[in-house]
Amino acid sequence: EAGVTQFPSHSVIEKGQTVTLRCDPISGHDNLYWYRRVMGKEIKFLLHFVKESKQDESGMPNNRFLAERTGGTYSTLKVQPAELEDSGVYFCASSQARDNSDNYGYTFGSGTRLTVV
Amino acid sequence: AQSVSQHNHHVILSEAASLELGCNYSYGGTVNLFWYVQYPGQHLQLLLKYFSGDPLVKGIKGFEAEFIKSKFSFNLRKPSVQWSDTAEYFCAVGPYSGAGSYQLTFGKGTKLSVIP
Repeated sequence: EAGVTQFPSHSVIEKGQTVTLRCDPISGHDNLYWYRRVMGKEIKFLLHFVKESKQDESGMPNNRFLAERTGGTYSTLKVQPAELEDSGVYFCASSQARDNSDNYGYTFGSGTRLTVV
Repeated sequence: AQSVSQHNHHVILSEAASLELGCNYSYGGTVNLFWYVQYPGQHLQLLLKYFSGDPLVKGIKGFEAEFIKSKFSFNLRKPSVQWSDTAEYFCAVGPYSGAGSYQLTFGKGTKLSVIP
C-alpha cells in the first residue's frame, strides 16, 4: 500500500512569496489532516477534510493560509504571502472514515520543511 | 482547551537501560491516547494507542504504556532500550467521540538518544 506522499520535501522562499504544499493521501482515505510543527514547539492541528469538505479548520492561523482538496483526492495548502513565522514542518495525514479506531488510524506523510527567509 | 505535557525534552540512555517517558494531559472528557515515534529522516509512526479497556497497552517494538485516569497520565515504558530506539517520541490525545473531527493534540516531544 502506498503511503501518504507530500511534496516538496523542502522549500525555501523569501518573505512575501507564495508557496503551495501538496499532499496525496492513501487511496480510499476520506479523512485528510494538515498539521504544522514550528521549531521547538508542539505539532499543531491546522485543519481536517472529509472528502472534499472542510470538517474543521479551527487551527488555521490566519487568512494567509488556504487549503483545498480537489475532488476529495489530493490536497494543497497555499501560504500567500509567506511570513517568517510560517517556517516549520507541515505534516499531512490521512485515515479511513468508519469507526472511531479507523478515524484515528492516521498515516502520516514525511512532511514538508518550509523555510521563509 | 486540551493540552499535553511531556516532562522530558531530551533523554540520554545507554543500551539495555530501562525507559520511561512521562505524559500528562488536560482534557474535560473521555479521551483516546497515543504515542507516536519519529525515527531520523522518517515519518511519524504509531507506537501504541489506548481507546478503552485494559489500561496497560502494548505496542510495537517492545513498548508499552499505562493509562492512569486519576493522574491524567499515559507514560511510555520499555524495559531495555536499543540503539535503534533513538528517535523523537510524541504523546497525543484526541477526544473520544470525535465529534466529527478526529483532531490530535500533541506534546512537545521527547528526543531519546541511546548510546551503544
